[in-house]
Amino acid sequence: GNSVTQMEGPVTLSEEAFLTINCTYTATGYPSLFWYVQYPGEGLQLLLKATKADDKGSNKGFEATYRKETTSFHLEKGSVQVSDSAVYFCALRWNAGNNRKLIWGLGTSLAVNP
Amino acid sequence: KAGVTQTPRYLIKTRGQQVTLSCSPISGHRSVSWYQQTPGQGLQFLFEYFSETQRNKGNFPGRFSGRQFSNSRSEMNVSTLELGDSALYLCACGLAGSPDTQYFGPGTRLTVL
Repeated sequence: GNSVTQMEGPVTLSEEAFLTINCTYTATGYPSLFWYVQYPGEGLQLLLKATKADDKGSNKGFEATYRKETTSFHLEKGSVQVSDSAVYFCALRWNAGNNRKLIWGLGTSLAVNP
Repeated sequence: KAGVTQTPRYLIKTRGQQVTLSCSPISGHRSVSWYQQTPGQGLQFLFEYFSETQRNKGNFPGRFSGRQFSNSRSEMNVSTLELGDSALYLCACGLAGSPDTQYFGPGTRLTVL
């Protein structure tokens, strides 16, 4: 079945460090891929998405490229800030009609120290 | 515009009781999905409703049920609560024809004692 695996946390970085959070998936066909972020005490927010192979999603300095050959969608940011401290979730949606079911990774907690 | 509203935000129940959670989507959003979030299992899909019809269902026992009203508001019900039902319950809404864009509410934190 479809599944998402992302690197375990917690990840602790200093401000301005480079961030990579790995995400790989297993799916039939061509799923849509997402990164969501959950800030402390807040709901999930869509950070970025990519709907087909080689697409690059980007937002707020974060980027992720849909790699079909390696079934990956790694999240990167060149210079993290304290305000990026949150839990990051990788997810996929299997593209079958209007199916909206999201399959999630377990989340990676990021703490950025000043 | 107003976001997704979930009520109540916090709830404490005891084993064997039942509970009803409510989700009011963004105006015009007819799709509502529900997820259970726990530290051990992460986020798991419960069900999705669109125009008052259940369109998709996850692998949860029959104690978990839901419905959607004509104004797109949705409720989920859990009967005969178990300790393992303690979780954050999230709803997400979306517009017809835009399955890749969903907006999440803040969640209802359910604690079963």
